[in-house]
Amino acid sequence: NFMLTQPHSVSESPGKTVTISCTRSSGNIASNYVQWYQQRPGSAPTTVIYEDNQRPSGVPDRFSGSIDTSSNSASLTISGLKTEDEADYYCQSYDSTIPYVFGSGTKVTVL
Amino acid sequence: QLQLLESGPGLVKPSETLSLTCTVSGGSVNSGSYQWGWIRQSPGKGLEWIGSFHHSGTTDYNPSLKSRVTIFADTTQISLKVHSVTAADTGVYYCAGLSLVGVDSWGQGTLVGVSS
Repeated sequence: NFMLTQPHSVSESPGKTVTISCTRSSGNIASNYVQWYQQRPGSAPTTVIYEDNQRPSGVPDRFSGSIDTSSNSASLTISGLKTEDEADYYCQSYDSTIPYVFGSGTKVTVL
Repeated sequence: QLQLLESGPGLVKPSETLSLTCTVSGGSVNSGSYQWGWIRQSPGKGLEWIGSFHHSGTTDYNPSLKSRVTIFADTTQISLKVHSVTAADTGVYYCAGLSLVGVDSWGQGTLVGVSS
């Protein structure tokens, strides 16, 4: 089985850009789609990115996803940071053994 | 719009069985559009996939929990049983509509504690 490692926390000022990494421990990051979920305190997660870089309807284009095979990682970038973006963010991918593997989560703080 | 609502006891004694039910509205459990699953979130372990139920009747379980977990469904409900619970099973349990690659829909979650 593989693991998805994320930084514990990131913080930035409103209007700035933050990027959250998600590094896959084994297997090729590009072989299986990566999803990103936002979880505000006391709420269930919601999808902000699916299939590496696709946004569900209703998710602002300030959210973008990408894959970097050189570092075997995925990234979620939030630009034009707003106070409402303050939340925990989780990446998720899969393989043939476990279809849903979640990252450790990153707390985004808007200063 | 698909809505998922979990229900069940908020407290279970150690060694007993945790039983939760998820009521599906706005969609059918028998639809091939989704798999149905359970995901939990423990304070120290983050999000963990427990298992999935496919409308064909097949199930998949997380290998770390497989020996203790059962998931089954009827036309409108998906049920979860976790046997021989310990404190490590404490957490928020989410019912989910699953695609082949990720989670499409989440229930609101239900908090379950394990304590005597």
